[in-house]
Amino acid sequence: DAGVTQSPTHLIKTRGQHVTLRCSPISGHKSVSWYQQVLGQGPQFIFQYYEKEERGRGNFPDRFSARQFPNYSSELNVNALLLGDSALYLCASSKDSSGANVLTFGAGSRLTVL
Amino acid sequence: GENVEQHPSTLSVQEGDSAVIKCTYSDSASNYFPWYKQELGKGPQLIIDIRSNVGEKKDQRIAVTLNKTAKHFSLHITETQPEDSAVYFCAAQSGGSYIPTFGRGTSLIVHP
Repeated sequence: DAGVTQSPTHLIKTRGQHVTLRCSPISGHKSVSWYQQVLGQGPQFIFQYYEKEERGRGNFPDRFSARQFPNYSSELNVNALLLGDSALYLCASSKDSSGANVLTFGAGSRLTVL
Repeated sequence: GENVEQHPSTLSVQEGDSAVIKCTYSDSASNYFPWYKQELGKGPQLIIDIRSNVGEKKDQRIAVTLNKTAKHFSLHITETQPEDSAVYFCAAQSGGSYIPTFGRGTSLIVHP
């Protein structure tokens, strides 16, 4: 059974550009969460989606947005990129949005902003 | 909100030694405490977790202890092996939040 898959694995952008990151959850998982991991730190929560609805939002600016599709895959969009947006962006899926379910992470998309 | 402190940031041990990583949390409502292992180029992978109604949990060479009164929990790895080398993250999660708050991570290096 495939795990959480993310694309692209690596990408380089320049300041001011826009980026779209994609995530496919484990089959049967209906909740997707996005995290930002800056080098040397733990993952920071950005968004959680369940059944195509936003269930939680972390302390990130409005330049960050996301959505979940009917097949439960998800996209994270970041507009007007800043140098500080350079990070590993992780997607995690779980069966639902309850606290009883563990998160399974993908390998991440490493974004470099020049 | 929840705040999780993790120590040490780096831990170097000889193969066969034990390793202990400690975390503290601030929110007394937190009731779920997972530990993740992140190898180079990969996402974090859950290795063990504990809920607030349990004081200790073991899985082969790995154990986690929880002291709710003191708001701290620890990861213990016995008989370390080179393949245990990775970054380990603790996290704390409140039942009402569904969102874990992570520590800053511990880089464990096991020397052969």
